[in-house]
Amino acid sequence: DIQMTQSPSTLPASVGDRVTITCRASQSISNWLAWYQQKPGKAPKLLIYKASSLESGVPSRFSGSGSGTEFTLTISSLQPDDFATYYCQQYNSYWDTFGQGTKLEI
Amino acid sequence: EVQLLESGGGVVQPGGSLRLSCVTSGFTFNNYAMSWVRQAPGKGLEWVSAIGGSGGSTFYADSVKGRFTISRDNYKNTLYLQMNSLRAEDTAIYYCVRAPTIVVRPDYFDYWGQGTPLTVSS
Repeated sequence: DIQMTQSPSTLPASVGDRVTITCRASQSISNWLAWYQQKPGKAPKLLIYKASSLESGVPSRFSGSGSGTEFTLTISSLQPDDFATYYCQQYNSYWDTFGQGTKLEI
Repeated sequence: EVQLLESGGGVVQPGGSLRLSCVTSGFTFNNYAMSWVRQAPGKGLEWVSAIGGSGGSTFYADSVKGRFTISRDNYKNTLYLQMNSLRAEDTAIYYCVRAPTIVVRPDYFDYWGQGTPLTVSS
């Protein structure tokens, strides 16, 4: 199985900050990577697919980049609604695997 | 509006069985592959099983293979997960999720249900 490792696990930040979360794959996954946002007690929500494609309705302050084994999710200017846990997911090969999550906290 | 509504979760003893259902609306159900993804308490996300739009192809995570069965009723727009020989480590919230294509393959998930909780405990 492909292992996905996110860093950091926790990221203290403030409203207005520019933040970057990193996701590394144990082997190349081309650009078959998605990012999700999950708030407490809620289901995950798709933000980014194919490493850099923004899902419809997702604010443009979210962006994704990378290919191969290293990927980043960037939030250009943190809003209060963005404090949540973020997961990456590879879908290059079975089984789809997720990172362990990055909690963005105030 | 796409909606996925899971039901059927609950408390089950180890070795027991349960069937989860996911009623969908707002899209042409048989045009999309579907999966179940679970999340243990305080933990990350784990893909469990997937099924193609026609129901002819199914895949399972090694952790549930031989114990869980995914199926769908395209007339009722409903996805199912039959879970047998349940273990404590199956305790999780189970999410019904939609893939963006009809073919079952590794894919991202564009819509998620609200989840249904399963607790396996004596």
